[in-house]
Amino acid sequence: DAMVIQNPRYQVTQFGKPVTLSCSQTLNHNVMYWYQQKSSQAPKLLFHYYDKDFNNEADTPDNFQSRRPNTSFCFLDIRSPGLGDAAMYLCATRTGDQPQHFGDGTRLSIL
Amino acid sequence: GEDVEQSLFLSVREGDSSVINCTYTDSSSTYLYWYKQEPGAGLQLLTYIFSNMDMKQDQRLTVLLNKKDKHLSLRIADTQTGDSAIYFCAETLAPDSNYQLIWGAGTKLIIKP
Repeated sequence: DAMVIQNPRYQVTQFGKPVTLSCSQTLNHNVMYWYQQKSSQAPKLLFHYYDKDFNNEADTPDNFQSRRPNTSFCFLDIRSPGLGDAAMYLCATRTGDQPQHFGDGTRLSIL
Repeated sequence: GEDVEQSLFLSVREGDSSVINCTYTDSSSTYLYWYKQEPGAGLQLLTYIFSNMDMKQDQRLTVLLNKKDKHLSLRIADTQTGDSAIYFCAETLAPDSNYQLIWGAGTKLIIKP
């Protein structure tokens, strides 16, 4: 089945140690999103790619970066994770006026 | 500004119908969505409705849209224990917003035996 795949499902890193989360898709959607979700709150959009065009939300910390080397893959890099960055990170994709499709998320813990 | 509001909790008995409500403020909504999130999982698209529609039905799910009152509801018939989850209402505005989602806070559906 075509889908959005996030790896790993669970990630543990140390305070200040860089970490990368990955997302891949087989839907061939041109838009990819990264969200942060804490404690079953609504997801908070960090940034998105429209094709290769990167769009950062105004309140996304500089600590968060993203890369999209091709249509299928998108990465979230957290350069120096703090305790406040512990959360579920969700990747989603979209094409045209169709709904966003989400992966299962990566739960990030900071030691 | 744009705002989407939902009650935080709903408790129903197994076998009854659940009705989860959502209100929104922006009249330029184009699509309205219901996503389901089970504990520790991602967001599953349940259903969505275009703003020129009043109702959409899909098996046990019925979505009603009252555009005049800016009110959206999700009815789940014959609620089962597997329906326990948080249900997020979301909207997108005109295409100029690049179809970004504006989220409600989510309603936690609790099923009583």
